[in-house]
Amino acid sequence: ETGVTQTPRHLVMGMTNKKSLKCEQHLGHNAMYWYKQSAKKPLELMFVYNFKEQTENNSVPSRFSPECPNSSHLFLHLHTLQPEDSALYLCASSLDTEAFFGQGTRLTVV
Amino acid sequence: EDKVVQSPLSLVVHEGDTVTLNCSYEVTNFRSLLWYKQEKKAPTFLFMLTSSGIEKKSGRLSSILDKKELFSILNITATQTGDSAVYLCASRLNAGNNRKLIWGLGTSLAVNP
Repeated sequence: ETGVTQTPRHLVMGMTNKKSLKCEQHLGHNAMYWYKQSAKKPLELMFVYNFKEQTENNSVPSRFSPECPNSSHLFLHLHTLQPEDSALYLCASSLDTEAFFGQGTRLTVV
Repeated sequence: EDKVVQSPLSLVVHEGDTVTLNCSYEVTNFRSLLWYKQEKKAPTFLFMLTSSGIEKKSGRLSSILDKKELFSILNITATQTGDSAVYLCASRLNAGNNRKLIWGLGTSLAVNP
């Protein structure tokens, strides 16, 4: 248990659905991240928040919309996704050193 | 372009064998190198290396960094089936507040009984 909690663990959604992924940490970390992990690809950084402010958006399509209401919570809002968006979505948090990861959400878009 | 390359991509060994996993990096403004183990979903942190030549050790696992040749190795001695996982290497950059991590593809290790 890393102290970073993600829900749900699994999600199947249609291309017209709207859903949200949630990430929570109470480690006192000030940076939170969303990563996408697809088969045979390196971890892809999607968004970074430092002290609730988004500091990086790696050319992510607008159908992915992050929200960071405070330094302990991070959301990823999903709408009109494509089948190629199916992947493992990992949340992580950090202070000054290593990042701690949540268990991830296995997303399948049908 | 910043990149991290891991080798081999996959490896199959028998219990008791010793394995060495490699990670080379070409990044601007290097800060540190990190190793993670990913068994099912969440990568779990193993080591962070910032200085050349200083070995980090945890049980049967050890790692060392060479900042001149720009690589790191992860050694696992007397492997066990529980060591089967994907081992990820990442380079952290000094990038202001972004703390950017550049990830390798990982090495998939299978330890057979």
